[in-house]
Amino acid sequence: RKEVEQDPGPFNVPEGATVAFNCTYSNSASQSFFWYRQDCRKEPKLLMSVYSSGNEDGRFTAQLNRASQYISLLIRDSKLSDSATYLCVVRLNQGAQKLVFGQGTRLTINP
Amino acid sequence: NAGVTQTPKFQVLKTGQSMTLQCAQDMNHNSMYWYRQDPGMGLRLIYYSASEGTTDKGEVPNGYNVSRLNKREFSLRLESAAPSQTSVYFCASKGQRNEKLFFGSGTQLSVL
Repeated sequence: RKEVEQDPGPFNVPEGATVAFNCTYSNSASQSFFWYRQDCRKEPKLLMSVYSSGNEDGRFTAQLNRASQYISLLIRDSKLSDSATYLCVVRLNQGAQKLVFGQGTRLTINP
Repeated sequence: NAGVTQTPKFQVLKTGQSMTLQCAQDMNHNSMYWYRQDPGMGLRLIYYSASEGTTDKGEVPNGYNVSRLNKREFSLRLESAAPSQTSVYFCASKGQRNEKLFFGSGTQLSVL
């Protein structure tokens, strides 16, 4: 089983829609969680960290469910510019510097 | 603001050739990483260095070597390139207290 798994998609949704996708992780000792965004042929960039209580940044909401070992990303009122690949990232252990990526979920927002 | 600088941007090798990918960061970060990205596979960790003088294997270290030359530089070497190493390679760095990864712009490597 992969350490971090995501549904690769693609997700195709109309502009203005709400879309959500999950990421599961296998190591229950995982400590830190993040969502990165990657545009085509570009390097990944941090979108947001995921906190235990859940957190929101504008139209983006991230949630952590430790019991079921998954994190989620919700995008409301989607824009054309949200089209990208969204990568889930997990730091496996307290104090560890190893960061593991999921395979990414490809999202296309259609006009 | 250079951030993470990766060279070269593109490279074509023949099977069996060797090469070194260079990575340097100017943010005084302790941790540095090398990832490869293949279609449908996401980013896979090759090697990482938690601090100057230390290196550790990631998920896919076979066929690669690394050197943490100093705090700024972390190089990745392919001793005998194979077609399976055709990929996009990303170098990244991270500070001790900040969880954010900063990436270089990537190296597109093709092994024929």
